[in-house]
Amino acid sequence: QKEVEQNSGPLSVPEGAIASLNCTYSDRGSQSFFWYRQYSGKSPELIMFIYSNGDKEDGRFTAQLNKASQYVSLLIRDSQPSDSATYLCAARGSTLGRLYFGRGTQLTVWP
Amino acid sequence: GAGVSQTPSNKVTEKGKYVELRCDPISGHTALYWYRQSLGQGPEFLIYFQGTGAADDSGLPNDRFFAVRPEGSVSTLKIQRTERGDSAVYLCASSLWWNSPLHFGNGTRLTVT
Repeated sequence: QKEVEQNSGPLSVPEGAIASLNCTYSDRGSQSFFWYRQYSGKSPELIMFIYSNGDKEDGRFTAQLNKASQYVSLLIRDSQPSDSATYLCAARGSTLGRLYFGRGTQLTVWP
Repeated sequence: GAGVSQTPSNKVTEKGKYVELRCDPISGHTALYWYRQSLGQGPEFLIYFQGTGAADDSGLPNDRFFAVRPEGSVSTLKIQRTERGDSAVYLCASSLWWNSPLHFGNGTRLTVT
């Protein structure tokens, strides 16, 4: 059973702080990893994807991947109230195109 | 350009009825995926098309569920003899290639009464 595990939260941080979201995956053959943001009642929106070990930065967002530990994280710097949403971690299986999703972590950024 | 389009946005049906959900992917995207999402859960995989063929249909819960993509573009998810447990948001996504990121449509909220 290929799984993606996330702490469901809720995670609450003050405006301007760094929010850290974490994810582990079970399929050691997974090659690509994705973070999606989902506002309440809306569909998932792609934020970041990462294929290689290390860090990948895009604006206020940094994705981190450690394949040896089967661990993916998302850092949000200078958090804003508009970042309040559920963040979904996903891993692509080792052989096919499907993505496996975690349950999501609910983030609240309070002003 | 236009994103993934799903119709209808909402569908209410009675238990036992047949429903069809439509997905129009981003132009040029070869891969198309169907997921469903229940409240408080992550998206659950149903089926994935590469071109016209179903590359992976292992997520379809039973034989009441069927999906087609006859011309390699628009896809239809068909549910026969609907049950109350089928109520969920059905999400369609497309990607340029099998290893590209997925882009989701706005979903169809299905309610079976």
